[in-house]
Amino acid sequence: KNQVEQSPQSLIILEGKNCTLQCNYTVSPFSNLRWYKQDTGRGPVSLTIMTFSENTKSNGRYTATLDADTKQSSLHITASQLSDSASYICVVSDRGSTLGRLYFGRGTQLTVWP
Amino acid sequence: EADIYQTPRYLVIGTGKKITLECSQTMGHDKMYWYQQDPGMELHLIHYSYGVNSTEKGDLSSESTVSRIRTEHFPLTLESARPSHTSQYLCASSGYRESGNTIYFGEGSWLTVV
Repeated sequence: KNQVEQSPQSLIILEGKNCTLQCNYTVSPFSNLRWYKQDTGRGPVSLTIMTFSENTKSNGRYTATLDADTKQSSLHITASQLSDSASYICVVSDRGSTLGRLYFGRGTQLTVWP
Repeated sequence: EADIYQTPRYLVIGTGKKITLECSQTMGHDKMYWYQQDPGMELHLIHYSYGVNSTEKGDLSSESTVSRIRTEHFPLTLESARPSHTSQYLCASSGYRESGNTIYFGEGSWLTVV
């Protein structure tokens, strides 16, 4: 069964600190992995997208890594800001159909305290 | 910045009422999607479309229907709303030529059926 598991479920850190969010998946055949940020009550916004051949991709203070062999990804946030408080969703796409089916994790709820 | 819009953002309606959630994108994307998301839970695909006059049901069974008469417009309709339909509905789109095949989400429509 294709699944995407994220950990931790929730996380509280102090402003300025770094944190790392984890994503493990069993989706096969793998096409790409995306990280989205979803503010409360808003739609998800894309942070990064990585294909099989990419190990690392950065977007400002966000750095995503991918290990396609172990089927693990992480999202590292550097020097956190209050505006980083949101749900971070890992989304994995397969190559089993023209649509490229998306499998969503439940997200990690990050809270940044001042 | 994504050019995909959903209306209404928030709606409270009575049981048995008919409701249409509007979704429009100005990016010329061929693929459009409707997702349902309960608070703290993952997104579930309920409908998708490859292009004009093409609509398919997604993974999660839904009593809603969709239409795709124009490329930019993908409305979702509930003929007779029930309290079990209370949820957030997210519209998304992506294009064949998009760099990295990024999927863009609208801000969401929060539906409450009383």
